[in-house]
Amino acid sequence: GQQVMQIPQYQHVQEGEDFTTYCNSSTTLSNIQWYKQRPGGHPVFLIQLVKSGEVKKQKRLTFQFGEAKKNSSLHITATQTTDVGTYFCAGPTFGGTSYGKLTFGQGTILTVHP
Amino acid sequence: GAVVSQHPSWVICKSGTSVKIECRSLDFQATTMFWYRQFPKQSLMLMATSNEGSKATYEQGVEKDKFLINHASLTLSTLTVTSAHPEDSSFYICSATDRTYGYTFGSGTRLTVV
Repeated sequence: GQQVMQIPQYQHVQEGEDFTTYCNSSTTLSNIQWYKQRPGGHPVFLIQLVKSGEVKKQKRLTFQFGEAKKNSSLHITATQTTDVGTYFCAGPTFGGTSYGKLTFGQGTILTVHP
Repeated sequence: GAVVSQHPSWVICKSGTSVKIECRSLDFQATTMFWYRQFPKQSLMLMATSNEGSKATYEQGVEKDKFLINHASLTLSTLTVTSAHPEDSSFYICSATDRTYGYTFGSGTRLTVV
Protein backbone atom coordinates (compact mmCIF):
# COMPACT_ATOMS: atom_id res chain seq x y z
CA GLY A 1 0.00 0.00 0.00
CA GLN A 2 0.88 3.64 -0.14
CA GLN A 3 3.54 4.82 2.26
CA VAL A 4 4.38 8.36 3.18
CA MET A 5 7.75 8.92 4.80
CA GLN A 6 8.60 12.12 6.61
CA ILE A 7 11.88 13.36 8.01
CA PRO A 8 13.25 14.40 10.36
CA GLN A 9 11.26 12.94 13.23
CA TYR A 10 12.41 15.66 15.61
CA GLN A 11 13.85 19.11 15.08
CA HIS A 12 15.06 21.43 17.80
CA VAL A 13 15.84 24.97 16.71
CA GLN A 14 16.71 28.25 18.30
CA GLU A 15 14.12 30.95 17.79
CA GLY A 16 14.91 32.78 14.58
CA GLU A 17 16.46 29.79 12.84
CA ASP A 18 14.88 28.19 9.81
CA PHE A 19 13.19 24.79 9.77
CA THR A 20 12.41 22.31 6.99
CA THR A 21 10.54 19.02 6.98
CA TYR A 22 10.50 16.67 4.02
CA CYS A 23 7.87 14.26 2.85
CA ASN A 24 8.22 11.41 0.35
CA SER A 25 5.50 9.16 -0.99
CA SER A 26 5.94 5.68 -2.43
CA THR A 27 3.33 6.50 -5.07
CA THR A 28 2.40 9.52 -7.15
CA LEU A 29 -0.07 11.71 -5.32
CA SER A 30 -3.04 13.60 -6.72
CA ASN A 31 -2.41 16.17 -4.03
CA ILE A 32 -0.55 16.55 -0.78
CA GLN A 33 -1.77 18.23 2.35
CA TRP A 34 0.03 19.66 5.33
CA TYR A 35 -1.30 19.80 8.86
CA LYS A 36 -0.07 21.24 12.13
CA GLN A 37 -0.88 19.67 15.46
CA ARG A 38 -0.16 21.63 18.60
CA PRO A 39 0.71 19.65 21.74
CA GLY A 40 -2.51 18.19 23.11
CA GLY A 41 -4.49 19.37 20.10
CA HIS A 42 -5.85 17.97 16.88
CA PRO A 43 -4.49 18.34 13.34
CA VAL A 44 -5.28 21.65 11.71
CA PHE A 45 -5.23 21.96 7.94
CA LEU A 46 -2.52 24.26 6.62
CA ILE A 47 -2.52 23.85 2.87
CA GLN A 48 -3.12 21.58 -0.09
CA LEU A 49 -0.81 21.35 -3.09
CA VAL A 50 -2.14 19.93 -6.32
CA LYS A 51 0.07 20.87 -9.25
CA SER A 52 3.42 19.42 -10.13
CA GLY A 53 6.19 21.77 -8.99
CA GLU A 54 3.75 23.95 -7.11
CA VAL A 55 5.07 26.40 -4.53
CA LYS A 56 2.81 28.17 -2.09
CA LYS A 57 3.60 30.62 0.67
CA GLN A 58 1.79 31.49 3.85
CA LYS A 59 3.68 34.27 5.58
CA ARG A 60 6.86 32.56 6.87
CA LEU A 61 5.81 29.12 5.61
CA THR A 62 6.76 27.90 2.14
CA PHE A 63 5.32 24.67 0.76
CA GLN A 64 6.64 22.84 -2.28
CA PHE A 65 5.29 19.92 -4.29
CA GLY A 66 7.81 17.98 -6.33
CA GLU A 67 7.78 17.71 -10.10
CA ALA A 68 6.98 14.02 -9.91
CA LYS A 69 4.26 14.66 -7.32
CA LYS A 70 5.87 12.20 -4.95
CA ASN A 71 7.64 14.52 -2.56
CA SER A 72 6.98 17.73 -0.74
CA SER A 73 8.57 20.06 1.76
CA LEU A 74 7.56 22.64 4.30
CA HIS A 75 10.02 25.39 5.15
CA ILE A 76 9.57 27.87 7.97
CA THR A 77 11.69 30.99 7.91
CA ALA A 78 12.80 32.57 11.18
CA THR A 79 10.93 30.26 13.52
CA GLN A 80 8.96 31.63 16.44
CA THR A 81 7.83 29.91 19.63
CA THR A 82 4.31 29.84 18.22
CA ASP A 83 5.55 27.45 15.51
CA VAL A 84 5.97 24.68 18.08
CA GLY A 85 4.04 21.53 17.24
CA THR A 86 4.04 18.50 15.00
CA TYR A 87 3.86 18.99 11.26
CA PHE A 88 2.32 16.23 9.19
CA CYS A 89 2.11 15.72 5.48
CA ALA A 90 -0.68 13.54 4.16
CA GLY A 91 -1.61 12.10 0.81
CA PRO A 92 -4.95 10.67 -0.27
CA THR A 93 -5.54 7.17 -1.55
CA PHE A 94 -8.67 6.77 -3.61
CA GLY A 95 -10.55 3.52 -3.30
CA GLY A 96 -13.80 4.23 -5.01
CA THR A 97 -15.15 6.74 -2.52
CA SER A 98 -15.58 10.42 -3.27
CA TYR A 99 -12.78 11.36 -0.91
CA GLY A 100 -9.72 9.24 -0.48
CA LYS A 101 -8.43 8.17 2.88
CA LEU A 102 -5.44 10.15 4.00
CA THR A 103 -2.14 8.45 4.70
CA PHE A 104 -0.13 10.53 7.10
CA GLY A 105 3.60 10.84 7.32
CA GLN A 106 5.20 10.13 10.67
CA GLY A 107 5.30 13.82 11.46
CA THR A 108 8.10 16.14 12.48
CA ILE A 109 8.02 17.39 16.05
CA LEU A 110 9.35 20.94 16.13
CA THR A 111 10.55 22.55 19.32
CA VAL A 112 11.71 26.13 19.38
CA HIS A 113 13.99 27.43 22.11
CA PRO A 114 13.51 31.12 22.89
CA GLY B 1 -15.40 27.45 7.76
CA ALA B 2 -16.32 23.87 8.47
CA VAL B 3 -16.59 22.69 12.04
CA VAL B 4 -16.52 19.12 13.28
CA SER B 5 -17.59 18.58 16.86
CA GLN B 6 -16.26 15.54 18.67
CA HIS B 7 -17.43 14.41 22.11
CA PRO B 8 -16.34 13.65 24.67
CA SER B 9 -12.97 15.40 24.73
CA TRP B 10 -11.66 12.95 27.25
CA VAL B 11 -13.00 9.92 29.01
CA ILE B 12 -11.76 7.52 31.65
CA CYS B 13 -13.43 4.15 31.82
CA LYS B 14 -12.96 0.87 33.59
CA SER B 15 -11.55 -2.12 31.79
CA GLY B 16 -14.31 -4.18 30.21
CA THR B 17 -16.76 -1.35 29.70
CA SER B 18 -17.74 0.29 26.40
CA VAL B 19 -17.25 3.89 25.38
CA LYS B 20 -19.04 5.79 22.62
CA ILE B 21 -17.46 8.72 20.84
CA GLU B 22 -19.53 11.06 18.68
CA CYS B 23 -18.42 13.04 15.67
CA ARG B 24 -20.74 15.66 14.19
CA SER B 25 -20.30 17.95 11.23
CA LEU B 26 -22.02 21.13 12.38
CA ASP B 27 -22.43 23.22 9.27
CA PHE B 28 -22.04 20.81 6.40
CA GLN B 29 -23.05 17.35 5.34
CA ALA B 30 -20.11 14.99 5.40
CA THR B 31 -19.75 12.73 2.40
CA THR B 32 -17.40 10.49 4.27
CA MET B 33 -16.10 10.27 7.81
CA PHE B 34 -12.81 8.79 8.89
CA TRP B 35 -11.71 7.56 12.29
CA TYR B 36 -8.07 7.71 13.35
CA ARG B 37 -6.12 6.61 16.38
CA GLN B 38 -2.99 8.33 17.56
CA PHE B 39 -0.56 7.10 20.20
CA PRO B 40 1.76 9.60 21.96
CA LYS B 41 4.37 11.10 19.68
CA GLN B 42 3.15 9.00 16.77
CA SER B 43 1.28 9.69 13.59
CA LEU B 44 -2.40 9.31 12.90
CA MET B 45 -3.33 5.79 11.93
CA LEU B 46 -6.54 5.34 9.99
CA MET B 47 -8.89 2.86 11.61
CA ALA B 48 -11.91 2.95 9.35
CA THR B 49 -13.80 4.86 6.70
CA SER B 50 -17.54 5.29 6.95
CA ASN B 51 -20.16 6.52 4.52
CA GLU B 52 -23.68 7.39 5.56
CA GLY B 53 -26.02 4.44 5.45
CA SER B 54 -23.42 1.83 4.67
CA LYS B 55 -21.07 -0.39 6.62
CA ALA B 56 -17.72 1.03 7.60
CA THR B 57 -14.58 -0.13 5.84
CA TYR B 58 -11.94 -1.11 8.35
CA GLU B 59 -8.21 -0.97 7.84
CA GLN B 60 -6.20 -4.14 8.08
CA GLY B 61 -5.60 -5.14 11.67
CA VAL B 62 -8.49 -3.16 13.12
CA GLU B 63 -11.09 -5.35 14.81
CA LYS B 64 -14.52 -4.41 13.52
CA ASP B 65 -16.27 -6.13 16.42
CA LYS B 66 -14.26 -4.14 18.91
CA PHE B 67 -14.49 -0.76 17.22
CA LEU B 68 -18.10 -0.38 16.15
CA ILE B 69 -18.80 2.46 13.77
CA ASN B 70 -22.26 3.77 13.01
CA HIS B 71 -22.85 6.47 10.42
CA ALA B 72 -26.55 7.11 10.84
CA SER B 73 -26.75 10.43 9.02
CA LEU B 74 -24.69 12.79 6.90
CA THR B 75 -23.79 14.77 10.00
CA LEU B 76 -23.18 12.11 12.64
CA SER B 77 -20.84 9.19 13.02
CA THR B 78 -20.12 7.29 16.21
CA LEU B 79 -17.27 5.05 17.28
CA THR B 80 -17.91 2.62 20.11
CA VAL B 81 -14.95 0.97 21.75
CA THR B 82 -16.40 -2.24 23.17
CA SER B 83 -14.96 -4.12 26.11
CA ALA B 84 -12.18 -1.58 26.42
CA HIS B 85 -8.79 -2.60 27.76
CA PRO B 86 -5.79 -0.50 28.83
CA GLU B 87 -4.11 -1.06 25.45
CA ASP B 88 -7.06 0.74 23.83
CA SER B 89 -6.05 3.92 25.65
CA SER B 90 -5.26 6.41 22.92
CA PHE B 91 -6.26 9.64 21.22
CA TYR B 92 -9.14 9.03 18.80
CA ILE B 93 -9.80 11.62 16.10
CA CYS B 94 -12.54 11.80 13.50
CA SER B 95 -12.43 13.61 10.20
CA ALA B 96 -15.34 14.61 8.03
CA THR B 97 -15.16 15.48 4.36
CA ASP B 98 -17.24 17.27 1.82
CA ARG B 99 -16.63 18.87 -1.59
CA THR B 100 -16.45 22.40 -0.26
CA TYR B 101 -14.29 22.04 2.81
CA GLY B 102 -12.20 18.97 2.12
CA TYR B 103 -11.03 17.25 5.28
CA THR B 104 -11.97 18.73 8.66
CA PHE B 105 -10.83 17.13 11.88
CA GLY B 106 -12.63 16.90 15.18
CA SER B 107 -10.86 18.00 18.34
CA GLY B 108 -10.19 14.42 19.37
CA THR B 109 -11.08 12.20 22.31
CA ARG B 110 -8.48 11.11 24.79
CA LEU B 111 -9.48 7.68 26.09
CA THR B 112 -7.91 6.23 29.21
CA VAL B 113 -8.87 2.72 30.24
CA VAL B 114 -8.02 1.82 33.82
